[in-house]
Amino acid sequence: AQSVTQLDSHVSVSEGTPVLLRCNYSSSYSPSLFWYVQHPNKGLQLLLKYTSAATLVKGINGFEAEFKKSETSFHLTKPSAHMSDAAEYFCVVREPGGSQGNLIFGKGTKLSVKP
Amino acid sequence: NAGVTQTPKFQVLKTGQSMTLQCAQDMNHEYMSWYRQDPGMGLRLIHYSVGAGITDQGEVPNGYNVSRSTTEDFPLRLLSAAPSQTSVYFCASSVGVGGSPLHFGNGTRLTVT
Repeated sequence: AQSVTQLDSHVSVSEGTPVLLRCNYSSSYSPSLFWYVQHPNKGLQLLLKYTSAATLVKGINGFEAEFKKSETSFHLTKPSAHMSDAAEYFCVVREPGGSQGNLIFGKGTKLSVKP
Repeated sequence: NAGVTQTPKFQVLKTGQSMTLQCAQDMNHEYMSWYRQDPGMGLRLIHYSVGAGITDQGEVPNGYNVSRSTTEDFPLRLLSAAPSQTSVYFCASSVGVGGSPLHFGNGTRLTVT
């Protein structure tokens, strides 16, 4: 069975410093992995996705994530935080095949950025 | 590009009332789904559909009905609203299952008193 664990419910960084949001997953198959961002009172927006091509995935707004199969991790990083990055971030697993194609969402990490 | 459109944005219901949350997408996506988002719980799947005429239950289907008569529309019906259904509801669609990312609407914030 697939599952997703976001290791921090809240991360606080200063503007201009690096961001690390951690995600571990378990899956019986080769999963697809996604990071979504949700700004207040908005829907979820896709940041990036991994679908078994390059293990280092670049997304929008300077974010990237590295798929590490040996560690079952898919951590999200950004070299330099911006105030506009303050939002909630969700790590998501999707297993291929089957009629459901369900996504399993992590419980989210709220990122705060201090000036 | 409209993408996924949800209406209404806000709704207040009294216990026992019924209502329909509307969801429409203009991307010709086969897969559509409804999620509810509650604090500390992430997103939980209510119902989903892999094509017109096909629907199935997700993780938390009780108290909700869906239908999929067209590719574009996937309404969610609350049969008899309860305070436990106070939540933010998101509709999402994708090209198919597997590696396709979901496209989300902006949500409907529902309060049941």
